[in-house]
Amino acid sequence: AQSVSQHNHHVILSEAASLELGCNYSYGGTVNLFWYVQYPGQHLQLLLKYFSGDPLVKGIKGFEAEFIKSKFSFNLRKPSVQWSDTAEYFCAVNAAGAGGTSYGKLTFGQGTILTVHP
Amino acid sequence: KAGVTQTPRYLIKTRGQQVTLSCSPISGHRSVSWYQQTPGQGLQFLFEYFSETQRNKGNFPGRFSGRQFSNSRSEMNVSTLELGDSALYLCASSPPGTDTQYFGPGTRLTVL
Repeated sequence: AQSVSQHNHHVILSEAASLELGCNYSYGGTVNLFWYVQYPGQHLQLLLKYFSGDPLVKGIKGFEAEFIKSKFSFNLRKPSVQWSDTAEYFCAVNAAGAGGTSYGKLTFGQGTILTVHP
Repeated sequence: KAGVTQTPRYLIKTRGQQVTLSCSPISGHRSVSWYQQTPGQGLQFLFEYFSETQRNKGNFPGRFSGRQFSNSRSEMNVSTLELGDSALYLCASSPPGTDTQYFGPGTRLTVL
């Protein structure tokens, strides 16, 4: 079974600070990896995704993530955060092409609440 | 394209009742997944439907069920509601050939 661990429950930063949110997963096979964001009062939105190829992926709003296969990690980064980045961030994994019990199933981490002070 | 829509957005029920939630996927999407989001358990997968067939199911009791119609719209039903069923229920749809899921705004269910 897959599992996802997000190391930080709550991160507090000042505007212009750099951000890195950790995400580790456990699964022995090929994975698809995602970061979603949930702004206050809004629905889950896709920030970025990794399926294959370049392990450094860029998403919306200046976010990027790096897939390190040897560490089973997919950390989210942003060089300079803004107050508008205040939200909850979720890392998710799907077993790629495994069929069966992987159909349509994303396994989510517990989420990291990011608070950015102006 | 319109996004995933879910109705109703809010529901209040009492223990023992049953409830039906509806999800309309993005046009052209045939896979619909359902999730339960609670503060304690986070986001947990309920089930997934594709072409009117349930292909995958999470670890929830049989009180949780669903179906999908020929137009890809999906419903989920919870019977004999318990207090612990209070949650945000999210629906997501995926375009053909990809595992990327796009989420709706959710239905907030409160069980009293």
